[in-house]
Amino acid sequence: KNEVEQSPQNLTAQEGEFITINCSYSVGISALHWLQQHPGGGIVSLFMLSSGKKKHGRLIATINIQEKHSSLHITASHPRDSAVYICAPREGAQKLVFGQGTRLTINP
Amino acid sequence: DTEVTQTPKHLVMGMTNKKSLKCEQHMGHRAMYWYKQKAKKPPELMFVYSYEKLSINESVPSRFSPECPNSSLLNLHLHALQPEDSALYLCASSHPAAVGSGNTIYFGEGSWLTVV
Repeated sequence: KNEVEQSPQNLTAQEGEFITINCSYSVGISALHWLQQHPGGGIVSLFMLSSGKKKHGRLIATINIQEKHSSLHITASHPRDSAVYICAPREGAQKLVFGQGTRLTINP
Repeated sequence: DTEVTQTPKHLVMGMTNKKSLKCEQHMGHRAMYWYKQKAKKPPELMFVYSYEKLSINESVPSRFSPECPNSSLLNLHLHALQPEDSALYLCASSHPAAVGSGNTIYFGEGSWLTVV
């Protein structure tokens, strides 16, 4: 069993739809990152969470430490949101454990 | 400046060549990382430097040799690589402390390596 399970693995939606990506993990963590990777390769950290909920623009991330579960939500999705979204819990100070990623495609 | 700069962006090398990948950041981060990413897979941690000292080596073959000459620079020296080492190599940096200090992580755009 993987230490980090993301669902769904692939998601295609229409522009404007509300998107949810889920992440469950089994490792003990100090925090959890949600990362975005576009086809060009670079990775951007969207959120780092250790509890509760964070919001940035149309993106919302939540975490439940007791249930070892986190979600990433995108409101009013747009084609430019098309990317791979990776859940990455942090073990200790420096080690990220990566999920397999969710490939999101938003069609106009 | 929240950039991590990696050079070169693309590198093609033969199996007998010696080359280096370079990474630079000016955010004052004292933890720097090398990751390897194969197509459609998540990144895999290779090395972590903390305060310019190697703190994590994820059992990486010795044909990959990291170097951290100062707090802003991280190199990855490559020698006698195999075609299966072809991948995207990502550098990242962060504050070395654990969560509680706003310790987000910043990635570079990566260096695409092809070994022929």
